[in-house]
Amino acid sequence: QSVLTQPPSASGTPGQRVTISCSGSSSNLGVGYVYWYQQIPGTAPKLLISRDSQRPSGVPDRFSGSKSGTSASLAISGLRAEDEALYYCASWDDNLSGWGFGGGTKLTVL
Amino acid sequence: EVQLLESGGDLVVPGGSLRLSCEVSGFRFSNYEMTWVRQAPGRGLEWLAYISSSGENIYYADSVKGRFTVSRDNARNFLFLQMSSLGVADTAIYYCARHDYNYGLDHWGPGTLVTVSS
Repeated sequence: QSVLTQPPSASGTPGQRVTISCSGSSSNLGVGYVYWYQQIPGTAPKLLISRDSQRPSGVPDRFSGSKSGTSASLAISGLRAEDEALYYCASWDDNLSGWGFGGGTKLTVL
Repeated sequence: EVQLLESGGDLVVPGGSLRLSCEVSGFRFSNYEMTWVRQAPGRGLEWLAYISSSGENIYYADSVKGRFTVSRDNARNFLFLQMSSLGVADTAIYYCARHDYNYGLDHWGPGTLVTVSS
């Protein structure tokens, strides 16, 4: 059972906008930031969004993040075939004194 | 360029031990907290252990507490994970990741595969 809750799957067609949700609690999202990672199968996770909504250098502005209370979401606009991947949310959890991850959302570009 | 490279993954029998290493380069290692994360086949990411920049503060996930030990050598730019009493549930790719105050787990190694099987 994951610390954060994500839908197992999401899908969209090229050019569409899709969102992926992430739900937490008062010990993680409620008091700290959410981070989003993209993982292409067979490779390591890559940081996509930090501190709720900040894009690291090199991440396209098609990716955006937001958070309100204990819920967060990742939005991908102008969906492209190369966006097909697994997406994970993460947050530091004060109860764990460690990182909590969502179970991951598999994004399919139809 | 920031680089992390894990090594030490292997096939080990249940009950066995293994030591993973993570060699880093491209940044001042002694300034950064570090983390180990693993991913079982077909499963999600699981945080395992955190170590502060000096090594003074260490935290573990309940699933590995008492069996795994994280340590670091700031002089040689190495992070370690000593694993003991391994079980089949420990079969996974093990990643080391840099923990940045502003960016979270901002850089990851490619991972090293640990297989626990008889």
